[in-house]
Amino acid sequence: EVQLVQSGAEVKKPGESLKISCKGSGYSFSTYWIGWVRQMPGKGLEWMGIIYPGDSNIRYSPSFQGQVTISADKSISTAYLQWSSLKASDTAMYYCARHLTPNNIVDAFDIWGQGTMVTVSS
Amino acid sequence: DIQMTQSPSSLSASVGDRVTITCRASQSISTYLNWYQQKPGKAPDLLMSAAFSLQSGVPSRFSGSGSGTDFTLTIGSLQPEDVATYYCQQSYSTPFTFGPGTKVVI
Repeated sequence: EVQLVQSGAEVKKPGESLKISCKGSGYSFSTYWIGWVRQMPGKGLEWMGIIYPGDSNIRYSPSFQGQVTISADKSISTAYLQWSSLKASDTAMYYCARHLTPNNIVDAFDIWGQGTMVTVSS
Repeated sequence: DIQMTQSPSSLSASVGDRVTITCRASQSISTYLNWYQQKPGKAPDLLMSAAFSLQSGVPSRFSGSGSGTDFTLTIGSLQPEDVATYYCQQSYSTPFTFGPGTKVVI
């Protein structure tokens, strides 16, 4: 079964760092773009960026460039989203999702992780 | 960035009704348009890619059309399990922006 399993919920204080993960299984992890999507409480979906694990080619949304870092370790089939200094406005559900077809950047997300809730509060 | 808009933002319909949701892109995106369904507390599910390509397992009452800047998602006969928020997304150029969503209630 093809699936993405994300790390568990996090509660952090403003200014703290965080790295959440997304582990793929059941498919060739290196050959599918994986992306991250933010959903703030009660709000819509926001595309943050995508990474091709095969060569770590990354595309960021301008809205998130410099605010987060996307990375991947193909040896353990895991993608990451990290913050160096969290803000209260980073409180949201974060989803990872895989592109539908291999090696295709212009594509839809067909497999989604279960989401990781990040709460930033003092 | 390409901006995506959807209308209506919400709608109420009866079981069996035909429901149409519209999505518009701020520039031509050919048929690089995807539709997702998100039920409360769940991750989104891909309904349709490339404007009208129905994903495996998605009921045939869902259909998509359009190209260029204007697209529609149609639910041919609304069912209780279709209560959800529907999002369009362009995958023509990064960032692959989502529309604001359309909430469907019965």
